Amino acid sequence: DGGITQSPKYLFRKEGQNVTLSCEQNLNHDAMYWYRQDPGQGLRLIYYSQIVNDFQKGDIAEGYSVSREKKESFPLTVTSAQKNPTAFYLCASSPTGISNQPQHFGDGTRLSIL
Amino acid sequence: ILNVEQSPQSLHVQEGDSTNFTCSFPSSNFYALHWYRWETAKSPEALFVMTLNGDEKKKGRISATLNTKEGYSYLYIKGSQPEDSATYLCASKDDKIIFGKGTRLHILP
Repeated sequence: DGGITQSPKYLFRKEGQNVTLSCEQNLNHDAMYWYRQDPGQGLRLIYYSQIVNDFQKGDIAEGYSVSREKKESFPLTVTSAQKNPTAFYLCASSPTGISNQPQHFGDGTRLSIL
Repeated sequence: ILNVEQSPQSLHVQEGDSTNFTCSFPSSNFYALHWYRWETAKSPEALFVMTLNGDEKKKGRISATLNTKEGYSYLYIKGSQPEDSATYLCASKDDKIIFGKGTRLHILP
């Protein structure tokens, strides 16, 4: 079945460590997105990529980094510079970055600080 | 930055009743309005994407309308069923997509 796979489902990090969240899609979509959800908040855009080897900052990119070396993969690294990394992270994709196409979401990764 | 507002935040509806809730968004520089359903322990699922003022879309018992001039969209559920219990997210897009905080719908048996 086509879809988006995020791993792991739960992730624990010690303070000061970088950690990478995986997002893989086999939908042949050009565009991919990373969102963060905190309690009582809507999904907030961290980074997005409309094509391989290109990505743009979203609204809350500080303390995060991404790469898009392959069409199917868009990993997110939470760096030690992110002061409040505990959150639920969702990855999504769409056929292109055109606004009238719905996004397909993964199941999410919950990151916690030890 | 856009501000997308959804109301109510939470809603309890008796099984069999119909209901509706609202998504408000800035009407300037509008490109598209998305609705998603997010069930507990699952991933958000796309319901509708609407772009034109006056658009109406329907999927089974769920329908949505769009008013881009005044900046709002309504989502309607007819004859609520237990499986409709979920959080309903709307998102508006200009150059980036901005999500509201969602309406949490509980269907009471």
